[in-house]
Amino acid sequence: EPEVTQTPSHQVTQMGQEVILRCVPISNHLYFYWYRQILGQKVEFLVSFYNNEISEKSEIFDDQFSVERPDGSNFTLKIRSTKLEDSAMYFCASSEEGDRNQPQHFGDGTRLSIL
Amino acid sequence: GNSVTQMEGPVTLSEEAFLTINCTYTATGYPSLFWYVQYPGEGLQLLLKATKADDKGSNKGFEATYRKETTSFHLEKGSVQVSDSAVYFCALSIIQGAQKLVFGQGTRLTINP
Repeated sequence: EPEVTQTPSHQVTQMGQEVILRCVPISNHLYFYWYRQILGQKVEFLVSFYNNEISEKSEIFDDQFSVERPDGSNFTLKIRSTKLEDSAMYFCASSEEGDRNQPQHFGDGTRLSIL
Repeated sequence: GNSVTQMEGPVTLSEEAFLTINCTYTATGYPSLFWYVQYPGEGLQLLLKATKADDKGSNKGFEATYRKETTSFHLEKGSVQVSDSAVYFCALSIIQGAQKLVFGQGTRLTINP
């Protein structure tokens, strides 16, 4: 069964450094998403992306965050200047269509640790 | 606003016990409802879904019915196995600009042999 893959599985970065989290969505999916889960808290929506544009973003997704689809297969999340509070598990997801009935398929996540 | 509330965990049961994990929601508009499961060291996997009132989603012996009148989507299984040990997330799907999932806090389930 096709799956969403994320790399790396664990990223350790010094505060203030830039970090790029990488995702390969399922190949025939058109809608892409990032979520994060701070330890002990809920999974929170960050951003959705379709047709090379951000469709929707949460208030968490401020100017320090950006997303990109640099080629036909990768989908990346960049944090420009990391803060301690960015430490979390980051999940990439994709869906075939964008209506509310469509399930989103998730990767295994990248655990980001900011020192 | 849109939110999902799940029963507090952790939940510990013996093998073959009956499982219920409660989930209630508030939503502006008409959401679809999902249960996702996260096994240790893995990502979120779709367990089941329901897209309209009175729909029943089912998979791997798990069931949940979309109850609009009580705004609930409780997860049930008649006889749990050790392999069902995982974290279970209830979620609703809405369109606000684009589709997004709103998750409950997750319920950790441990099944003892």
